Amino acid sequence: AQTVTQSQPEMSVQEAETVTLSCTYDTSESDYYLFWYKQPPSRQMILVIRQEAYKQQNATENRFSVNFQKAAKSFSLKISDSQLGDAAMYFCAYMSYGQNFVFGPGTRLSVLP
Amino acid sequence: SQTIHQWPATLVQPVGSPLSLECTVEGTSNPNLYWYRQAAGRGLQLLFYSVGIGQISSEVPQNLSASRPQDRQFILSSKKLLLSDSGFYLCAGRREDRNEQFFGPGTRLTVL
Repeated sequence: AQTVTQSQPEMSVQEAETVTLSCTYDTSESDYYLFWYKQPPSRQMILVIRQEAYKQQNATENRFSVNFQKAAKSFSLKISDSQLGDAAMYFCAYMSYGQNFVFGPGTRLSVLP
Repeated sequence: SQTIHQWPATLVQPVGSPLSLECTVEGTSNPNLYWYRQAAGRGLQLLFYSVGIGQISSEVPQNLSASRPQDRQFILSSKKLLLSDSGFYLCAGRREDRNEQFFGPGTRLTVL
């Protein structure tokens, strides 16, 4: 069964600095999708970024980018120019065709002013 | 755009009482729908998913049940709540064109 691991339960970053959240996953599939979701204090889950495994180019969305290492089964999220509104729980998620999503346990990010 | 509505937003129920949480979807037809539970500060636990009307798959055996009476309606129920049923319940749908999940605002359930 696929599993998603986030080894950092909590992280903190100074406002305007850069932070990287780690995620590793286990799968025997070659085609799949990876996601980062953000859950702010309101608890609404918001999609931050997605990556198709067949694409070698790392996805970027404004200040958010990923480092996708398929062979290492690693999918880290980099947040540049951190803002107070980035404070949230961040969940890494995996999905392969015909399967349900698998979420990691989450990383709580604090942004210090 | 696809949107999920959930109600109620907050619910406080005594142990042993029944439960009905409702989830409705707008902007798509025949979506895959999911119920998750999230304990405070923890990850998401998949409870049920549905690929169509009347089709329910259970991921975790417990005293909860789910039903899908209409294409865009997904209901989470219990006949008798337990203290351990307290948590935050999220309904989600799946965007087939992008293979993403989109979420409702959630229901915070407290069982006393």
